[in-house]
Amino acid sequence: QKEVEQNSGPLSVPEGAIASLNCTYSDRGSQSFFWYRQYSGKSPELIMFIYSNGDKEDGRFTAQLNKASQYVSLLIRDSQPSDSATYLCAVSGSARQLTFGSGTQLTVLP
Amino acid sequence: GAVVSQHPSRVICKSGTSVKIECRSLDFQATTMFWYRQFPKKSLMLMATSNEGSKATYEQGVEKDKFLINHASLTLSTLTVTSAHPEDSSFYICSASRETDNEQFFGPGTRLTVL
Repeated sequence: QKEVEQNSGPLSVPEGAIASLNCTYSDRGSQSFFWYRQYSGKSPELIMFIYSNGDKEDGRFTAQLNKASQYVSLLIRDSQPSDSATYLCAVSGSARQLTFGSGTQLTVLP
Repeated sequence: GAVVSQHPSRVICKSGTSVKIECRSLDFQATTMFWYRQFPKKSLMLMATSNEGSKATYEQGVEKDKFLINHASLTLSTLTVTSAHPEDSSFYICSASRETDNEQFFGPGTRLTVL
């Protein structure tokens, strides 16, 4: 059984701070790692994906992957109230099927 | 680019009726489409994977006779919830992927309420 674990939160950070979201996965054969943001009542929207060990930066977002530790994280710099949402970590293997974590609810306080 | 639509966005039906949900890729050919279900405050659970022109592959615990999936073309997949019951009330989300990459593009979701 492939598992993806996330701290459910809720996580609260003040506006302008760095929000750190963490995810671990059980399947060592996983190849692709995704972070999605989901607002209440809406479908997930892709923030970024990462395939290789190390860091990947896109604007205020940085994804970090450590395959040896089976760990992937998302850092959000200069957090804004509009970043308040549930963040979903998802993992896929060769079959392209996504296994989602339970999500971390983030609240950015003005 | 890579837009996926779903119709209807919201449906309310009586117990025992069947409901069809459409998922369309508007500007690309989707070789694979996925159907997910999400209960309140829970994560997305994959129900089935469908490839154009072939039978869908259902995840363990998903009744294929209850959730009929058809992927008749490279731009359209349908999910029919047959003989719906209140416990089938959920948020159903489809996604589509191209042959050339790993990313899945999500539709806006369909909120099903069975009375």
